[in-house]
Amino acid sequence: AQSVTQLDSQVPVFEEAPVELRCNYSSSVSVYLFWYVQYPNQGLQLLLKYLSGSTLVKGINGFEAEFNKSQTSFHLRKPSVHISDTAEYFCAVSATNQGGKLIFGQGTELSVKP
Amino acid sequence: DAGVIQSPRHEVTEMGQEVTLRCKPISGHNSLFWYRQTMMRGLELLIYFNNNVPIDDSGMPEDRFSAKMPNASFSTLKIQPSEPRDSAVYFCASRPGANSGNTIYFGEGSWLTVV
Repeated sequence: AQSVTQLDSQVPVFEEAPVELRCNYSSSVSVYLFWYVQYPNQGLQLLLKYLSGSTLVKGINGFEAEFNKSQTSFHLRKPSVHISDTAEYFCAVSATNQGGKLIFGQGTELSVKP
Repeated sequence: DAGVIQSPRHEVTEMGQEVTLRCKPISGHNSLFWYRQTMMRGLELLIYFNNNVPIDDSGMPEDRFSAKMPNASFSTLKIQPSEPRDSAVYFCASRPGANSGNTIYFGEGSWLTVV
């Protein structure tokens, strides 16, 4: 079975500052990794995903994440945040077997202040 | 393009009543997921289907919950009888193909309040 731990439940940051949202996973098999974003009163949408290849993955809205297999981590970063990045961010993992399910972490609330 | 469509968007019901949530996945998608989101427990996978067949229902809380997918374009999640602790946002999501690396697309959720 797979599990995901998001190390910070809330991250306050000032506008234009860099941010890192931390994610660790556990799995006995190889996995795919995802970051989703949820704006208030909306469903989740994909920011980026790691399937294979380069460990640095770039996504939408200037976000990127780095897969670190030895540390079983997939931290999300952005060099300069905007007010509009205020949202809940979810890290998720799926085993690479066909038709696998997606398991989410508890979420990190990013609050960008002016 | 139409995304995942859920109905109702909001429902308030009395304890003991039956609740039926509906979902229309994106056309051509082979997998369908039902998630529940609460403040206390976060996002929980309740059940998922591949090609209309339930694959894993280990997240369904108890016998009061049931889900069906009679065809590729429709699924229901039913709670009978409902209880206040079922109050949550229920998300339906769909995914193209059987590859678990494919992106899952979420609906906007059904906000359920049981009083």
